[in-house]
Amino acid sequence: DAGITQSPRHKVTETGTPVTLRCHQTENHRYMYWYRQDPGHGLRLIHYSYGVKDTDKGEVSDGYSVSRSKTEDFLLTLESATSSQTSVYFCAIRDRGGGTGELFFGEGSRLTVL
Amino acid sequence: GIQVEQSPPDLILQEGANSTLRCNFSDSVNNLQWFHQNPWGQLINLFYIPSGTKQNGRLSATTVATERYSLLYISSSQTTDSGVYFCAGSNTGNQFYFGTGTSLTVIP
Repeated sequence: DAGITQSPRHKVTETGTPVTLRCHQTENHRYMYWYRQDPGHGLRLIHYSYGVKDTDKGEVSDGYSVSRSKTEDFLLTLESATSSQTSVYFCAIRDRGGGTGELFFGEGSRLTVL
Repeated sequence: GIQVEQSPPDLILQEGANSTLRCNFSDSVNNLQWFHQNPWGQLINLFYIPSGTKQNGRLSATTVATERYSLLYISSSQTTDSGVYFCAGSNTGNQFYFGTGTSLTVIP
């Protein structure tokens, strides 16, 4: 199993509160990703990182920010959570960029925004 | 971005039956993977297959990169094969695009 730990695994919060999800890896992989999964949409990329302090936006980045201060940790922050951000969030890692390298996923974090 | 179409969206099989799942891409990809999401929500890597054919037990996959599609074959299906199957592809190397999945139910 890829060494990926997501926390918290479940969270219920209220609209307008800040939320931070953490992804921790023990594989020393360069690339890390945050996806959200919603019914009818599959998985959609929120943000990704290609190194410490190097991040870029994905297709659904509005309302989210990320930070990566260490190789092993990638944080996803919802500054002011909304009900539309209720979803299951998956972190993924990959060792190589370009046209090679497999994605491996964490176990997911279920977020409910009331 | 790349549009990924998976078919069929839903599939119900009797245990022991065979099936073929398809994934079409709107643009060429140089990185392609198949995943199985089990009923507990875990995403499990099945194949990394940007081109060619691979087999792993009862599962095999074929990607025809020039025609922008990939097939996943499941033979002698078992109830543990139930779940959702996703394909994902990338041509930039950083952003992966996922289909909406094929939901498979295998009944005993």
